[in-house]
Parts: sequence; C-alpha cells; structure tokens
Amino acid sequence: TQLLEQSPQFLSIQEGENLTVYCNSSSVFSSLQWYRQEPGEGPVLLVTVVTGGEVKKLKRLTFQFGDARKDSSLHITAAQPGDTGLYLCAGEETSGSRLTFGEGTQLTVNP
Amino acid sequence: DAGITQSPRHKVTETGTPVTLRCHQTENHRYMYWYRQDPGHGLRLIHYSYGVKDTDKGEVSDGYSVSRSKTEDFLLTLESATSSQTSVYFCAISEMVFEQYFGPGTRLTVT
Repeated sequence: TQLLEQSPQFLSIQEGENLTVYCNSSSVFSSLQWYRQEPGEGPVLLVTVVTGGEVKKLKRLTFQFGDARKDSSLHITAAQPGDTGLYLCAGEETSGSRLTFGEGTQLTVNP
Repeated sequence: DAGITQSPRHKVTETGTPVTLRCHQTENHRYMYWYRQDPGHGLRLIHYSYGVKDTDKGEVSDGYSVSRSKTEDFLLTLESATSSQTSVYFCAISEMVFEQYFGPGTRLTVT
C-alpha cells in the first residue's frame, strides 16, 4: 500500500485568513482526489487531479498536483466558517485497484 | 448525490456476536468498498468488490468478510465482533477506481 501524509493535522484560523494543506508521498499516484467531510457524514468528493502540475480551482479553493505526481496541495483563500471540516486527500494507486487516504486535516474557521 | 444507503446507521453489539452491515446503491456502479474510520488512522480499506461475486481484501481485512450477490448490495460481516472493531464504517461506490462516493456511515460499538 502506498502511503500519504497530510499536514497539518489540525488548523484553527480566523475568518478571512488564507491557508494551505499539504498531502505528500514518496510514491507516484495515477490521480489524486480531495474530499471534505463534516461530522456525522461521509466524505464528499471536491476534485480530482490527474496530470502532473495540474491546477484546478473551485471558487476559493485551489488544488495543485505536483509535477512528479507524488504530492498535492489545497489552498483556501479568505476562509469562511462554512469551510470548517475534515479535508482528506486520497491517491489512486498505480496498480489501479484502490485509493489510499491520508489521515486528514481538521480545519476550524472561527467567525 | 450518488444514491447510496447504509443500514443500520447505528448499532451496539456484544463481543463475540456476528454483525452484518449492508450497503445499497441505486447507481449501478461497478466498484463498491468498505472502509473503517478511526481517530489517528483516517480511512482504511477493509474489502472491496469489482463486480458481482468478485471481491478482494484491503489493508485491514482480518475479522471481516464480504459478499456481493447483486450489483446493488455489498454486505460486510464481522464474524465474531471484538472491541477493536468499534468504529465508523463507510461504504463507497465508484464507476472508476477514483472518484468514490460515500454513504452516510454506520457507527458500530462493540461492548
């Protein structure tokens, strides 16, 4: 199984601040996904990145896949309380049979 | 949202008893997965299915078995529940390995 490490594990910021969450591995992934999970619910897919160096934007969220397809980042601009949640990255293993999940970053945005 | 349900949503059971969790989908997706989510471990794959009667083990499969006799149903059985199997269990579906869609989860407590 390929491993993914997320950092930071916990992040508490004020509304309006910017933040970046990182997802790193020593392994190459075929694609990488970011999910957001709220308490008591299942993770919800935010984005998939496939090509090395790819950047995708979803409103105030910017996702980047590393050139070597071993790492990814999620940047949130002007965070809002509604962004609070657990952010999970997941990589599609090169064997093509499963996803490997990072442990997640718990984000709290205070009003 | 993908049509995916899990039952029961909550269950308390005693050590040593068998438990079966059900995942039902209305999307006709090929792949179905069972994960467990625990603090400090993120989402870990238990078993997955890539078609009717086609299943394979994930990283934490010991003590669990699965069955898929119809496209829409994927059952997870804890053969003899232990306290270490207290967790939140998520089912996911996908047509491709990546971009998985998750159910609402089942909170299982083994006393």
